[in-house]
Amino acid sequence: DTGVSQNPRHKITKRGQNVTFRCDPISEHNRLYWYRQTLGQGPEFLTYFQNEAQLEKSRLLSDRFSAERPKGSFSTLEIQRTEQGDSAMYLCASIGTAGANVLTFGAGSRLTVL
Amino acid sequence: AQSVTQPDIHITVSEGASLELRCNYSYGATPYLFWYVQSPGQGLQLLLKYFSGDTLVQGIKGFEAEFKRSQSSFNLRKPSVHWSDAAEYFCAVGPLLQFGAGTQVVVTP
Repeated sequence: DTGVSQNPRHKITKRGQNVTFRCDPISEHNRLYWYRQTLGQGPEFLTYFQNEAQLEKSRLLSDRFSAERPKGSFSTLEIQRTEQGDSAMYLCASIGTAGANVLTFGAGSRLTVL
Repeated sequence: AQSVTQPDIHITVSEGASLELRCNYSYGATPYLFWYVQSPGQGLQLLLKYFSGDTLVQGIKGFEAEFKRSQSSFNLRKPSVHWSDAAEYFCAVGPLLQFGAGTQVVVTP
C-alpha cells in the first residue's frame, strides 16, 4: 500500500493552455474521487468514479474539465483552455469496498495559471 | 441540501491548553461526519469519523468529537494541544464529503 499518488505535484501554465493531472489510487480501491481546493477554502467535490464508470459530476466541472478512468485503475483530470480562476489544488482520493466510506487522499496537484 | 459550517476561521491556542473546534451541519438523514487535518504540503489526514452508535468518538493524536443531533453539531476537542497540532482542520459530511471552509489553528509557546 503506497497510498494515493498524484502527479505532477505542481504545474505552472499560461492561460489558455491545457493541463492534465494523474491520480494513481490505492491498488485495491474501486472508487476514486476528485476535489478542488482553493486558498482559504475546504475541498469541493468535482466528480467520482466507481471502477471505470463516472457516476457523479459536480456543477463545478465545466465543459473545459474532463476526467477519465479508462481501466478502472488510474485516473486523469484534464483542464482545457485554462483560466486564472482554475488555479487551485486538485486533490484525488480513493476508497475500497471495505473502506467504510473513509477516503484516503493524495497530497494533491497544485495548478498555477499565469 | 447538505452543508457544513465551521464558524471559526482562525483559532490561536497556547501549547498545553485545551482546544475545541466547532462544526455545524445540515443534512437530510443521519449523517456521516468526519474531521480531517491538513498540514502544509501534506494530504488530508482523517482524524476521526462518526457513522452511528456512541456519540463520543475517539480519534488519532488524542482528538475526540461529540455528535449532538439536537444541535446539528460535531465539535472536535483535544484536552492539551502540542505545537505539532498547528494545522488546518476540516469538518465534512458524507458520503460525498462536503467540507467546511476550515479552521486554522495556531499554537503559541
